[in-house]
Formats: sequence, C-alpha cells, structure tokens
Amino acid sequence: KNQVEQSPQSLIILEGKNCTLQCNYTVSPFSNLRWYKQDTGRGPVSLTIMTFSENTKSNGRYTATLDADTKQSSLHITASQLSDSASYICVVSAPYGGSQGNLIFGKGTKLSVKP
Amino acid sequence: DGGITQSPKYLFRKEGQNVTLSCEQNLNHDAMYWYRQDPGQGLRLIYYSQIVNDFQKGDIAEGYSVSREKKESFPLTVTSAQKNPTAFYLCASSITGSNTEAFFGQGTRLTVV
Repeated sequence: KNQVEQSPQSLIILEGKNCTLQCNYTVSPFSNLRWYKQDTGRGPVSLTIMTFSENTKSNGRYTATLDADTKQSSLHITASQLSDSASYICVVSAPYGGSQGNLIFGKGTKLSVKP
Repeated sequence: DGGITQSPKYLFRKEGQNVTLSCEQNLNHDAMYWYRQDPGQGLRLIYYSQIVNDFQKGDIAEGYSVSREKKESFPLTVTSAQKNPTAFYLCASSITGSNTEAFFGQGTRLTVV
C-alpha cells in the first residue's frame, strides 16, 4: 500500500527561528509531491508542488526539496512567524492509487511558533 | 470568486439520522473528492468522482453515499449506518489527472449528539 510518513509529529519553535519538516514516501509510481498548510478548522492550502525531476522549489519563506532516488522531501521554513502555526501536510500523487485515490496524504506535522 | 464551497461549517446530527453535506465548485473541475479527517490522522478518502454521473469508493466508503448529477456539485450523505460519524469532512476538486493541484473547501465539522 502507498504510504507517506512525516516527521516530527509536532514541533515547537520560537518566532524568528528556522525549521525543517520531513516527508518519506513509498508511493510508486509517483507523479508529484506537494506540501499543504492547514490552519486549525480550515481546509488545506497548497504551498509547493514538485515533479520527480525537480529538486527544489520556493514559495516566499517556504522552500521544499525533493530527492526522488531516496523518496524523501523536506519543507524548510525560514524566519518563522506566529502565522506559520499550522499543520503541514505532505501529499504524494499516485496515478494508480486505487481505493486510496490518486492523492496519498501524510498525517501532517503540527507546528507551533511561540513569541 | 472562483472556488470550492462547503456548507454548513458546523453540523449536529442525532443518532440514527441521515445528514447531507454540501460541496459546490465553480472552477470547472471534472474531479471531486470527499475526505474525512480525524485528530492525529491523515486525510482518508471516502468517495471520489472523475466525471458527472460516475463515482468510486475510497478506503472508507461504508456508511456514506454520494451523487454527481452536476459537474459543480458533489453532495455527501452520512447515513445512520456510519457508526462513528463525528469528524471533520473536507471536499476537494481538481482537473482530471494526477499531475494537478487539488483545491479544498473550508470543511464541515459533523458532531453526533
């Protein structure tokens, strides 16, 4: 079964600090990998999307990396702000996901940024 | 504004009742999805539809039903057969194909009272 594992499960950092979230996946074949931000009680919003041929993609203070050989991705947040407090979800696209659908979700990393 | 709209935001259901969650999109997307999210869990697929008048069961379809009579609408009915329906429900839509972005609604929180 296709799986996406994220770590850590939760993370607390001080405002202004950087942090890195990890995503490992076993999805095969693989179309693309996305990172979403989900505020509490809201729907997820896309941050970045990368195909297997891309190594890095940035969106403001968010930078995602992808190593398709090791099936690992990371999301780096620079100079964190209080508004970065949210869950960050790694989603891998599987063309033949079957009953899982073609989007395989990780459980997310809950980030808390403290003043 | 283009987007995907879920309603209501909060819904309370008595045990034994069926309830229907609404999902409407004006993005002209062919594919629509329903997910369930429980605390500490990833999103799990309930049903998805790639085209009007067609839909497929996801991993946790038991106790749920859907219809796709119009491209813009994909309502989800939580039936009395669903034994643990209290959860956060998310609807999404995308252009058909796995290489595209899914856009999510703001969710409906269903509570059984």
